[in-house]
Amino acid sequence: GQSLEQPSEVTAVEGAIVQINCTYQTSGFYGLSWYQQHDGGAPTFLSYNALDGLEETGRFSSFLSRSDSYGYLLLQELQMKDSASYFCAVRARSGSARQLTFGSGTQLTVLP
Amino acid sequence: SAVISQKPSRDICQRGTSLTIQCQVDSQVTMMFWYRQQPGQSLTLIATANQGSEATYESGFVIDKFPISRPNLTFSTLTVSNMSPEDSSIYLCSVALGTGFTGELFFGEGSRLTVL
Repeated sequence: GQSLEQPSEVTAVEGAIVQINCTYQTSGFYGLSWYQQHDGGAPTFLSYNALDGLEETGRFSSFLSRSDSYGYLLLQELQMKDSASYFCAVRARSGSARQLTFGSGTQLTVLP
Repeated sequence: SAVISQKPSRDICQRGTSLTIQCQVDSQVTMMFWYRQQPGQSLTLIATANQGSEATYESGFVIDKFPISRPNLTFSTLTVSNMSPEDSSIYLCSVALGTGFTGELFFGEGSRLTVL
């Protein structure tokens, strides 16, 4: 099976930078995804890393180290609207080709 | 991208009853996934709905409790049978597009069920 660990809560102020870490244990790792979910809303895709390194998309970046079974999501220039839950998710060989297993989620609170 | 519509968006149900949740996608997709999310918790995969074949259930979920239909490539239903308060949760339909996979799933807004 798969297991993922991420912090349950993170708090930061507007304009700051925050990093949300994710460590995983799985067999047959394919890649790591990140999702954002606002209260009462649908999870929305942010990024996917299949290879080691940093992927940048606007204010958000995601990093993966396959050798360390570790990744993180980096949010820069935080805005109030970034307050949400963030989930890492692994795609692993033991599941179907497009099946994801989600972490427990990190609640990010952005303060003014 | 994909637009996914789920019905009902929310419902309050009595113990022992069953409820069917519908998921409609605006494009044809091979696989649809049903997730459960309890308030403030993670998303747990219930099953993968395959068109033209039986759904594939994850450990801890059985067909008698969560029967799934997939009559075509744009529609699926999930029934929560013989409900108990422990079934109170948000049920989410999701799809992946295309033949490759970039780690991106599209989700519906969810169906929030409260069982009394």
